[in-house]
Amino acid sequence: AQKITQTQPGMFVQEKEAVTLDCTYDTSDQSYGLFWYKQPSSGEMIFLIYQGSYDEQNATEGRYSLNFQKARKSANLVISASQLGDSAMYFCAMRGGFKMDSSYKLIFGSGTRLLVRP
Amino acid sequence: DAGITQSPRYKITETGRQVTLMCHQTWSHSYMFWYRQDLGHGLRLIYYSAAADITDKGEVPDGYVVSRSKTENFPLTLESATRSQTSVYFCASSESWEEQFFGPGTRLTVL
Repeated sequence: AQKITQTQPGMFVQEKEAVTLDCTYDTSDQSYGLFWYKQPSSGEMIFLIYQGSYDEQNATEGRYSLNFQKARKSANLVISASQLGDSAMYFCAMRGGFKMDSSYKLIFGSGTRLLVRP
Repeated sequence: DAGITQSPRYKITETGRQVTLMCHQTWSHSYMFWYRQDLGHGLRLIYYSAAADITDKGEVPDGYVVSRSKTENFPLTLESATRSQTSVYFCASSESWEEQFFGPGTRLTVL
Protein backbone atom coordinates (compact mmCIF):
# COMPACT_ATOMS: atom_id res chain seq x y z
CA ALA A 1 0.00 0.00 0.00
CA GLN A 2 1.13 3.51 -0.71
CA LYS A 3 1.75 5.94 2.10
CA ILE A 4 2.89 9.54 2.45
CA THR A 5 4.38 10.83 5.70
CA GLN A 6 4.88 14.47 6.61
CA THR A 7 6.47 14.58 10.04
CA GLN A 8 6.45 18.35 10.57
CA PRO A 9 3.00 19.54 11.68
CA GLY A 10 4.20 23.13 11.80
CA MET A 11 7.25 25.17 10.88
CA PHE A 12 8.48 28.73 11.11
CA VAL A 13 10.83 30.47 8.72
CA GLN A 14 12.16 33.99 8.59
CA GLU A 15 11.20 36.03 5.55
CA LYS A 16 13.76 35.79 2.72
CA GLU A 17 15.27 32.59 4.10
CA ALA A 18 14.98 29.14 2.53
CA VAL A 19 12.92 26.38 4.12
CA THR A 20 12.65 22.64 3.55
CA LEU A 21 9.42 20.75 4.10
CA ASP A 22 9.88 17.03 4.57
CA CYS A 23 8.00 14.28 2.80
CA THR A 24 8.72 10.57 2.81
CA TYR A 25 6.79 8.00 0.89
CA ASP A 26 6.32 4.28 0.71
CA THR A 27 5.37 2.39 -2.40
CA SER A 28 6.18 -0.88 -4.11
CA ASP A 29 5.55 0.62 -7.54
CA GLN A 30 8.49 1.29 -9.81
CA SER A 31 6.67 4.07 -11.59
CA TYR A 32 5.10 6.80 -9.47
CA GLY A 33 4.79 10.55 -9.18
CA LEU A 34 5.10 13.01 -6.35
CA PHE A 35 3.21 16.27 -6.00
CA TRP A 36 3.26 19.25 -3.71
CA TYR A 37 0.23 21.44 -3.13
CA LYS A 38 -0.18 24.69 -1.23
CA GLN A 39 -3.35 25.44 0.69
CA PRO A 40 -3.58 29.05 1.89
CA SER A 41 -6.03 30.14 4.54
CA SER A 42 -8.60 30.78 1.81
CA GLY A 43 -8.80 27.02 1.35
CA GLU A 44 -8.04 26.31 -2.29
CA MET A 45 -5.52 23.67 -3.30
CA ILE A 46 -2.78 25.12 -5.49
CA PHE A 47 -0.53 22.79 -7.47
CA LEU A 48 3.14 23.67 -6.98
CA ILE A 49 5.42 21.04 -8.42
CA TYR A 50 5.61 17.48 -9.76
CA GLN A 51 8.39 14.88 -9.82
CA GLY A 52 8.20 11.61 -11.70
CA SER A 53 10.04 8.60 -10.35
CA TYR A 54 12.06 8.25 -13.55
CA ASP A 55 12.97 11.93 -13.80
CA GLU A 56 16.72 12.20 -13.49
CA GLN A 57 16.77 15.81 -12.41
CA ASN A 58 15.03 17.40 -9.47
CA ALA A 59 11.96 19.37 -10.47
CA THR A 60 12.01 23.14 -10.12
CA GLU A 61 9.27 25.75 -10.52
CA GLY A 62 10.36 29.27 -9.75
CA ARG A 63 11.19 29.45 -6.04
CA TYR A 64 10.06 25.87 -5.49
CA SER A 65 12.29 22.87 -5.95
CA LEU A 66 11.82 19.25 -5.07
CA ASN A 67 14.73 17.46 -3.47
CA PHE A 68 14.09 13.93 -4.73
CA GLN A 69 16.12 11.18 -3.09
CA LYS A 70 14.81 7.95 -4.51
CA ALA A 71 16.88 5.57 -2.39
CA ARG A 72 15.69 7.30 0.77
CA LYS A 73 12.12 7.57 -0.57
CA SER A 74 12.02 11.24 0.22
CA ALA A 75 10.62 14.15 -1.79
CA ASN A 76 11.25 17.29 0.21
CA LEU A 77 9.98 20.66 -0.96
CA VAL A 78 12.45 23.52 -0.82
CA ILE A 79 11.14 27.07 -0.90
CA SER A 80 13.83 29.64 -1.50
CA ALA A 81 13.63 33.28 -0.41
CA SER A 82 10.46 32.84 1.63
CA GLN A 83 7.77 35.46 1.33
CA LEU A 84 4.94 36.34 3.70
CA GLY A 85 2.51 34.96 1.13
CA ASP A 86 4.12 31.54 1.49
CA SER A 87 2.41 31.12 4.87
CA ALA A 88 0.05 28.24 4.23
CA MET A 89 -0.52 24.53 4.62
CA TYR A 90 1.59 22.36 2.33
CA PHE A 91 0.63 18.86 1.25
CA CYS A 92 2.77 16.18 -0.30
CA ALA A 93 0.92 13.64 -2.45
CA MET A 94 1.72 10.60 -4.53
CA ARG A 95 0.19 8.66 -7.38
CA GLY A 96 1.52 5.32 -8.38
CA GLY A 97 1.39 2.39 -10.69
CA PHE A 98 1.49 2.10 -14.40
CA LYS A 99 -0.78 4.12 -16.61
CA MET A 100 -4.09 2.60 -15.72
CA ASP A 101 -7.12 4.37 -14.36
CA SER A 102 -6.45 3.72 -10.68
CA SER A 103 -2.93 5.14 -10.91
CA TYR A 104 -4.27 8.66 -11.40
CA LYS A 105 -5.66 8.95 -7.87
CA LEU A 106 -3.60 10.74 -5.25
CA ILE A 107 -2.62 9.73 -1.73
CA PHE A 108 -1.96 12.71 0.53
CA GLY A 109 0.12 13.32 3.60
CA SER A 110 -1.33 15.11 6.61
CA GLY A 111 0.35 18.39 5.73
CA THR A 112 2.79 20.90 7.20
CA ARG A 113 1.71 24.36 8.26
CA LEU A 114 4.34 26.94 7.36
CA LEU A 115 4.43 30.37 8.94
CA VAL A 116 6.73 32.99 7.49
CA ARG A 117 7.86 35.59 9.99
CA PRO A 118 8.55 39.17 8.87
CA ASP B 1 -15.09 30.80 -16.99
CA ALA B 2 -12.64 28.05 -17.72
CA GLY B 3 -11.56 25.74 -14.95
CA ILE B 4 -13.19 23.64 -12.31
CA THR B 5 -16.07 24.89 -10.22
CA GLN B 6 -17.98 23.48 -7.29
CA SER B 7 -21.40 24.32 -5.94
CA PRO B 8 -22.55 25.13 -3.42
CA ARG B 9 -19.49 26.55 -1.70
CA TYR B 10 -21.11 26.23 1.71
CA LYS B 11 -23.90 23.95 2.80
CA ILE B 12 -25.58 23.26 6.11
CA THR B 13 -27.91 20.30 6.31
CA GLU B 14 -29.43 17.99 8.86
CA THR B 15 -28.76 14.38 9.66
CA GLY B 16 -30.64 12.04 7.36
CA ARG B 17 -31.13 14.47 4.49
CA GLN B 18 -29.89 13.85 0.99
CA VAL B 19 -27.31 16.32 -0.27
CA THR B 20 -25.73 16.66 -3.70
CA LEU B 21 -22.48 18.49 -4.30
CA MET B 22 -21.84 19.57 -7.84
CA CYS B 23 -18.58 19.66 -9.76
CA HIS B 24 -18.11 21.06 -13.25
CA GLN B 25 -14.94 21.32 -15.34
CA THR B 26 -14.46 23.02 -18.67
CA TRP B 27 -11.22 21.35 -19.74
CA SER B 28 -12.83 18.09 -20.92
CA HIS B 29 -10.46 16.19 -18.67
CA SER B 30 -11.08 12.47 -18.64
CA TYR B 31 -10.38 11.92 -14.96
CA MET B 32 -12.35 13.44 -12.12
CA PHE B 33 -12.09 12.90 -8.39
CA TRP B 34 -13.82 13.64 -5.13
CA TYR B 35 -11.76 14.06 -1.96
CA ARG B 36 -12.71 15.02 1.54
CA GLN B 37 -10.47 16.96 3.88
CA ASP B 38 -10.62 16.49 7.63
CA LEU B 39 -8.25 17.81 10.27
CA GLY B 40 -5.30 15.49 10.71
CA HIS B 41 -6.07 13.39 7.66
CA GLY B 42 -5.03 15.50 4.73
CA LEU B 43 -7.23 14.68 1.76
CA ARG B 44 -8.77 11.28 1.24
CA LEU B 45 -10.26 9.97 -1.98
CA ILE B 46 -13.96 9.18 -1.97
CA TYR B 47 -14.62 8.26 -5.61
CA TYR B 48 -13.04 8.81 -8.96
CA SER B 49 -14.03 8.53 -12.57
CA ALA B 50 -11.91 7.73 -15.62
CA ALA B 51 -14.53 8.80 -18.16
CA ALA B 52 -18.25 9.28 -18.55
CA ASP B 53 -20.12 6.31 -17.08
CA ILE B 54 -16.96 4.89 -15.50
CA THR B 55 -16.59 5.35 -11.75
CA ASP B 56 -14.75 3.54 -8.99
CA LYS B 57 -14.40 3.68 -5.23
CA GLY B 58 -11.60 5.39 -3.41
CA GLU B 59 -10.44 5.11 0.17
CA VAL B 60 -13.62 6.31 1.95
CA PRO B 61 -16.67 5.65 -0.29
CA ASP B 62 -19.24 4.56 2.30
CA GLY B 63 -22.30 6.79 2.42
CA TYR B 64 -21.58 8.44 -0.92
CA VAL B 65 -22.87 7.93 -4.46
CA VAL B 66 -21.47 9.39 -7.67
CA SER B 67 -22.50 9.50 -11.27
CA ARG B 68 -20.93 10.80 -14.44
CA SER B 69 -23.31 10.99 -17.36
CA LYS B 70 -21.34 13.82 -18.99
CA THR B 71 -17.59 14.30 -19.13
CA GLU B 72 -17.74 17.76 -17.58
CA ASN B 73 -19.90 16.97 -14.54
CA PHE B 74 -19.23 14.74 -11.57
CA PRO B 75 -21.85 15.14 -8.81
CA LEU B 76 -21.37 13.63 -5.37
CA THR B 77 -24.47 12.63 -3.39
CA LEU B 78 -24.73 11.93 0.30
CA GLU B 79 -27.81 9.72 0.40
CA SER B 80 -28.48 10.15 4.12
CA ALA B 81 -26.11 12.66 5.64
CA THR B 82 -24.42 11.89 8.95
CA ARG B 83 -22.44 14.16 11.27
CA SER B 84 -19.26 12.29 10.39
CA GLN B 85 -19.66 13.58 6.85
CA THR B 86 -19.10 17.15 8.01
CA SER B 87 -16.01 18.04 6.02
CA VAL B 88 -14.57 20.09 3.21
CA TYR B 89 -15.10 18.39 -0.14
CA PHE B 90 -12.79 18.94 -3.08
CA CYS B 91 -13.40 17.98 -6.64
CA ALA B 92 -10.40 17.58 -8.95
CA SER B 93 -9.74 16.77 -12.56
CA SER B 94 -6.81 15.47 -14.55
CA GLU B 95 -5.87 14.54 -18.08
CA SER B 96 -2.18 13.86 -17.69
CA TRP B 97 -0.29 11.82 -15.18
CA GLU B 98 1.73 14.84 -14.08
CA GLU B 99 -1.00 17.15 -12.87
CA GLN B 100 -4.29 17.24 -11.03
CA PHE B 101 -6.26 20.44 -10.56
CA PHE B 102 -8.63 21.13 -7.72
CA GLY B 103 -11.85 23.06 -7.42
CA PRO B 104 -12.36 25.65 -4.68
CA GLY B 105 -14.01 23.19 -2.28
CA THR B 106 -17.41 22.87 -0.61
CA ARG B 107 -17.66 23.22 3.13
CA LEU B 108 -20.43 20.91 4.34
CA THR B 109 -21.82 20.94 7.85
CA VAL B 110 -24.22 18.21 8.96
CA LEU B 111 -26.15 19.10 12.12
